[in-house]
Amino acid sequence: EIVLTQSPGTLSLSPGERVTLSCRASQSVSSSYLAWYQQKPGQAPRLLIFGASSRATGIPDRFSGSGSGTDFTLTISRVEPEDVAMYYCQQYGSSPQTFGQGTKVEIK
Amino acid sequence: EVQLLESGGGLVQPGGSLRLSCAASGFAFSNYAMSWVRQTPGTGLEWVSAISRSGDTTYYVDSVKGRFTISRDNSKSTLYLQMNSLRAEDTATYYCTDGSGTYTAFDIWGQGTMVTVSS
Repeated sequence: EIVLTQSPGTLSLSPGERVTLSCRASQSVSSSYLAWYQQKPGQAPRLLIFGASSRATGIPDRFSGSGSGTDFTLTISRVEPEDVAMYYCQQYGSSPQTFGQGTKVEIK
Repeated sequence: EVQLLESGGGLVQPGGSLRLSCAASGFAFSNYAMSWVRQTPGTGLEWVSAISRSGDTTYYVDSVKGRFTISRDNSKSTLYLQMNSLRAEDTATYYCTDGSGTYTAFDIWGQGTMVTVSS
């Protein structure tokens, strides 16, 4: 199975800063079947990005995804207080599909 | 409004059984493969099981094979997860989601139902 490693574990930022989250796969992710999810406390995960770089419906354009092969990135261009959450990557091109362990984004 | 609503979680002793349900509304349930995903503080998010649109094909993570059974009733727009021989490590919040988890990301999520396996 493909293991996804996310870094860093926690990020603490000021509003308006740019943030980059990393997701590295133990082997190449097929056809960029890589997704990013946001999970706020007490809520279910919400799909942000699929296909490595396509925003899901209703997702603000300050969220963007990039990458291919084994290295993927989620960028928040200008972080807002409402972006406080855990962020998870997921590969869904190889069975079983797997999730990363998450990155926590905090606001200073 | 597109919605998934899980129910059936609770406290159960090791070796016991529980059946989770997930009622779908606001979309054509029978047109979607569906999955169960669970989450624990220690192991994070883990896909558990998936079922095809018609229900004739099912998939499981190795750790639940032979113990869990996924099924669906398209006439009731409802997804089920029968969990037998429960173990402490099955303790988690269980979410139902759309898709099989292969070639499709999970776009629709329920609010989750908590399962606690403890004596």
